[in-house]
Amino acid sequence: ETGVTQTPRHLVMGMTNKKSLKCEQHLGHNAMYWYKQSAKKPLELMFVYNFKEQTENNSVPSRFSPECPNSSHLFLHLHTLQPEDSALYLCASSQQGSQERIKLSSYGYTFGSGTRLTVV
Amino acid sequence: AQSVTQLDSHVSVSEGTPVLLRCNYSSSYSPSLFWYVQHPNKGLQLLLKYTSAATLVKGINGFEAEFKKSETSFHLTKPSAHMSDAAEYFCVVTNYGQNFVFGPGTRLSVLP
Repeated sequence: ETGVTQTPRHLVMGMTNKKSLKCEQHLGHNAMYWYKQSAKKPLELMFVYNFKEQTENNSVPSRFSPECPNSSHLFLHLHTLQPEDSALYLCASSQQGSQERIKLSSYGYTFGSGTRLTVV
Repeated sequence: AQSVTQLDSHVSVSEGTPVLLRCNYSSSYSPSLFWYVQHPNKGLQLLLKYTSAATLVKGINGFEAEFKKSETSFHLTKPSAHMSDAAEYFCVVTNYGQNFVFGPGTRLSVLP
């Protein structure tokens, strides 16, 4: 275990379903991320939350809705997805901040194992 | 602005031979650099990181990387490949933990 836990590990859903992906970290990090990894494509950053505030939304369709109730939990709510949304969804956490405030050894992402999503 | 280039999308080596995965970066600041590995159907795992301490960084599973500022490179090496090393490898650059930029990845195949 890396310290970042994602559930479920696998999810199959129909295009009219509503489901949620969950991510949890207990590393004391202040930033959490959702990434999408599709076959033969680079990692795509979807959302960034820092101290529970969304700081980045990379033009993600509204059928993906993130929620960050506290600095340890991150959700991705899914609604009326398309088959092309099938991918591995990765959650990550990190400690963001200036060099003066953060130990250098704290830098870097810690990733969860991902949720393999299949939309049918 | 920062960017990462991984020059090879696919590298194939024989078991027991050296591995070299290339990474070049550009950054306006003193960068922190990372290598992550992703095995099939798994999340990304941190292999090693450079954060302005020693330029030769040792990581897990016998991997190491050398930060060369003059060449803006952070190539990943291993003296002897093992079958279990077959995976996708990502080079990442960031400044002070902000704006992580991922390279496109290099797929490593290890032949018996």
